[in-house]
Amino acid sequence: GEDVEQSLFLSVREGDSSVINCTYTDSSSTYLYWYKQEPGAGLQLLTYIFSNMDMKQDQRLTVLLNKKDKHLSLRIADTQTGDSAIYFCAESITNAGKSTFGDGTTLTVKP
Amino acid sequence: NAGVTQTPKFRVLKTGQSMTLLCAQDMNHEYMYWYRQDPGMGLRLIHYSVGEGTTAKGEVPDGYNVSRLKKQNFLLGLESAAPSQTSVYFCASSYTAGQGMNTEAFFGQGTRLTVV
Repeated sequence: GEDVEQSLFLSVREGDSSVINCTYTDSSSTYLYWYKQEPGAGLQLLTYIFSNMDMKQDQRLTVLLNKKDKHLSLRIADTQTGDSAIYFCAESITNAGKSTFGDGTTLTVKP
Repeated sequence: NAGVTQTPKFRVLKTGQSMTLLCAQDMNHEYMYWYRQDPGMGLRLIHYSVGEGTTAKGEVPDGYNVSRLKKQNFLLGLESAAPSQTSVYFCASSYTAGQGMNTEAFFGQGTRLTVV
């Protein structure tokens, strides 16, 4: 079945760039998502990319997709303490809800 | 506009008790989902629904039942709770598949369930 893997922890200093990586196994994946979860809250969609794209930029967020290697990354420029959260990578074939999620990367931003 | 609302937010059950978690959405979404999230793990799909009156099994359906009698509500039931069902449960909803960006899933705030 589908599998999505992420590293569990990332720590950066405020103002630095953060890069969170994700690999997936299903070559049929059409939609690839990054969600953010703050403590005690549900998941919030940050950004997404279609499988026919290789890059998407949205303000401080840059998503890179290497479809050949099934590798997805999320870069956060000028990381702030408010960016501290768990970031989930997810993939789906048809729609966002029925997705396969990674285990999440806990991003800690140190002042 | 409330989005996706889950009730209750917290619950403690004894082993063998039953309960129902309610999810309500006011966005007229066709698709609704129940996930569980365990420490250090991603979300795992329990059951989902592609429209009123329909339900389907997800990745981890055992021990749970669901119903979608009204489009805006999706109920998750535990008939006989077990300690292994201690988890945080998230409901989500989304538009019908194939609508581009509208496939974004909107999540509720979660229900923290402890079974002792």
